[in-house]
Amino acid sequence: AQTVTQSQPEMSVQEAETVTLSCTYDTSESDYYLFWYKQPPSRQMILVIRQEAYKQQNATENRFSVNFQKAAKSFSLKISDSQLGDAAMYFCALRADKIIFGKGTRLHILP
Amino acid sequence: ETGVTQSPTHLIKTRGQQVTLRCSSQSGHNTVSWYQQALGQGPQFIFQYYREEENGRGNFPPRFSGLQFPNYSSELNVNALELDDSALYLCASSPPGTAVNEQFFGPGTRLTVL
Repeated sequence: AQTVTQSQPEMSVQEAETVTLSCTYDTSESDYYLFWYKQPPSRQMILVIRQEAYKQQNATENRFSVNFQKAAKSFSLKISDSQLGDAAMYFCALRADKIIFGKGTRLHILP
Repeated sequence: ETGVTQSPTHLIKTRGQQVTLRCSSQSGHNTVSWYQQALGQGPQFIFQYYREEENGRGNFPPRFSGLQFPNYSSELNVNALELDDSALYLCASSPPGTAVNEQFFGPGTRLTVL
């Protein structure tokens, strides 16, 4: 069975600071993908970043980067220089045979 | 380029009724996936359609069914509605060759079952 666990229901960060959102997962598959999605209050889900499990190099997209620890089955998201527009629910997701989402972390940005 | 659209935005039904939700995929996208997102939860995969055929399904009963049309738009049908079916229903489309590795989500339909 596949599982995705986000242990932080809510987090807050000061504007311009850096924050890390945690995600652990479990799968018996060797070939899989990991994702972070952002769901702002307007509710339209947006892909933030994607990581292929076979790639050792951590994915980066501008201010967003991941720390992918395959042996530990950990996939954290780091947001640098946090901006007010980063406030949203963030979902970690795993795709092996099917796609599974975590329960999400609500991120607050403090001005 | 028009993104993924869903209709209606909100819907209220009573227990036992049937409902049809609609999704127009982004231009050129041939794969559509449907998700149920209960309040305070992450989305749960219902099923996926590729070229008008269902090619993946999550743990949802048969009363959840779907269709994909030649223009790649899609419908989600739910029969015999239950109170627990109240949720945000999300549709996502994917370009050819990407499966769900590149999904573009619609704004969702909020279904309330009374």
